[in-house]
Amino acid sequence: DTAVSQTPKYLVTQMGNDKSIKCEQNLGHDTMYWYKQDSKKFLKIMFSYNNKELIINETVPNRFSPKSPDKAHLNLHINSLELGDSAVYFCASSQGSGLAGADTQYFGPGTRLTVL
Amino acid sequence: GNSVTQMEGPVTLSEEAFLTINCTYTATGYPSLFWYVQYPGEGLQLLLKATKADDKGSNKGFEATYRKETTSFHLEKGSVQVSDSAVYFCVYGSSYKLIFGSGTRLLVRP
Repeated sequence: DTAVSQTPKYLVTQMGNDKSIKCEQNLGHDTMYWYKQDSKKFLKIMFSYNNKELIINETVPNRFSPKSPDKAHLNLHINSLELGDSAVYFCASSQGSGLAGADTQYFGPGTRLTVL
Repeated sequence: GNSVTQMEGPVTLSEEAFLTINCTYTATGYPSLFWYVQYPGEGLQLLLKATKADDKGSNKGFEATYRKETTSFHLEKGSVQVSDSAVYFCVYGSSYKLIFGSGTRLLVRP
């Protein structure tokens, strides 16, 4: 059983399009995250949600809108895609709220987004 | 602000060689420290962690000790295998989020 799953695995699209990436975790965790990994492998947090409530929004452009319909899902919708959005996007989850920064995070396999 | 600095790669070693990947952090307070590993084409997974000073995290032959006095969390392994080839991230746990180092690619040759 996959603990944290993402769909799609690959996404190729044109500039200006709108796309969504879905994430689901079956670990019963309270907190979910989205990270962006650039071409140099640098990882940066974008958002985190705890029990469906937004906790972190790391100055991500408004074109990115996360949505958490329930505790087990955190989807990422991107409007008006730009070339610079090309990256690998990782979803993750953790048991606690993440306040102390000590919780282990479990990562999905990633979604490679290519904007042409 | 808080940050993590780790040695640049790639690090290329022969099988059974000794591995050290250096990591230092700047932080306020007492963060938790982690090493995450990313195997080719996969997501990240936790390798080991330490939540307070002088703690030693260990897993799969890898070790790292939380050194508050030198603000370091160096990763070591006594004898690497080809299957250890991956990108290793030193990570600092802050309020609600993880802050990643830039990653160090390790290539182990048979």
